[in-house]
Amino acid sequence: DTEVTQTPKHLVMGMTNKKSLKCEQHMGHRAMYWYKQKAKKPPELMFVYSYEKLSINESVPSRFSPECPNSSLLNLHLHALQPEDSALYLCASSRRTGGETEAFFGQGTRLTVV
Amino acid sequence: SQKIEQNSEALNIQEGKTATLTCNYTNYSPAYLQWYRQDPGRGPVFLLLIRENEKEKRKERLKVTFDTTLKQSLFHITASQPADSATYLCALDMRNSGTYKYIFGTGTRLKVLA
Repeated sequence: DTEVTQTPKHLVMGMTNKKSLKCEQHMGHRAMYWYKQKAKKPPELMFVYSYEKLSINESVPSRFSPECPNSSLLNLHLHALQPEDSALYLCASSRRTGGETEAFFGQGTRLTVV
Repeated sequence: SQKIEQNSEALNIQEGKTATLTCNYTNYSPAYLQWYRQDPGRGPVFLLLIRENEKEKRKERLKVTFDTTLKQSLFHITASQPADSATYLCALDMRNSGTYKYIFGTGTRLKVLA
């Protein structure tokens, strides 16, 4: 199984809503990532988890809150988002962080904030 | 700060020709460089990784070169096909105080014309 599964595929939320994005992998990878991608732009790193611990937060606003409940799951909790937060949110995993290791990406969650 | 630029936002070539994509970076010396393919609305898919001490890497119709003096990587697709049309992203391994992350370049949208 070389899949990273993200749910939901699409999400529309209001600016006062609270929602969560979910990501799951069963490849035994110990590094997991959240990226944000706007149209015609490259993926932009948000968070890195290594062995279930947050190792990198790329100065992401606190309205985005990551969580890694176990080595297979990664969540992104969303609260009080702005319309400019609308984007494709990608989850990825790799055997470990950086170095000689490829990342496996999910299909993404297309988020629209209204 | 690190800049990773890929040549031309879009590149059109005729089927059967060789496509050459460029990735230039500044202010850093990565130990590894990766290339990914991304189709519209989907997550990136890993293609090739090259180490700083490797000059060239090949996989089927793909070839990557890495010139650490020029701070440049070239990505070649030989005998290109319309199915190769996609956005191609380079990604650099960046280390900061022991933490590792991959940062993506700006991407090149390749269109192979039949």
